Amino acid sequence: AQSVTQLGSHVSVSEGALVLLRCNYSSSVPPYLFWYVQYPNQGLQLLLKYTTGATLVKGINGFEAEFKKSETSFHLTKPSAHMSDAAEYFCAVSGPNAGKSTFGDGTTLTVKP
Amino acid sequence: SQTIHQWPATLVQPVGSPLSLECTVEGTSNPNLYWYRQAAGRGLQLLFYSVGIGQISSEVPQNLSASRPQDRQFILSSKKLLLSDSGFYLCAWTVGASYGYTFGSGTRLTVV
Repeated sequence: AQSVTQLGSHVSVSEGALVLLRCNYSSSVPPYLFWYVQYPNQGLQLLLKYTTGATLVKGINGFEAEFKKSETSFHLTKPSAHMSDAAEYFCAVSGPNAGKSTFGDGTTLTVKP
Repeated sequence: SQTIHQWPATLVQPVGSPLSLECTVEGTSNPNLYWYRQAAGRGLQLLFYSVGIGQISSEVPQNLSASRPQDRQFILSSKKLLLSDSGFYLCAWTVGASYGYTFGSGTRLTVV
């Protein structure tokens, strides 16, 4: 079984500030972990993923995430927020069973000018 | 290039009416296909997935059904819609667990 918990349904930061979105996972097998972004009334877009190897992964739009097995975490960060980063962000874990992914409930990021 | 098409974008249907949402994938073969539903302010709930033509697995008992008549076509249906079927429906595909999903643009269904 696998599950994802995103801590904080809403995060607000000022433009230029650090963005930190938290994700903890549970998986009975080595996980594949993902972050997606969703803009209003659109589908989700893959930001970055961790499969194996380097635990710090870089994605699009300046985002990165670090896989910490001991903490079962995969937090998403960006050093400097931009107004265009305002969106909803989803953490997900997938396993070997038909590639099914389990998603967290999402975190809405607001960026203040 | 690989793309996914999902339609319609919005739909308003009366209670008790039928439903058919369609999703097609281009540029890949034998993808895994998924239907998710997203309720307002909540995460994504997996409804159905398919690993091949005619192979459908249901995750949640409900008023909906799915079919895969062709390799890259995935259809979500209902014979009689309920108010609780309202939501944002997303189709997605992948070629393996480590690749991540490519999502369609979604269908906003409102049952009135």
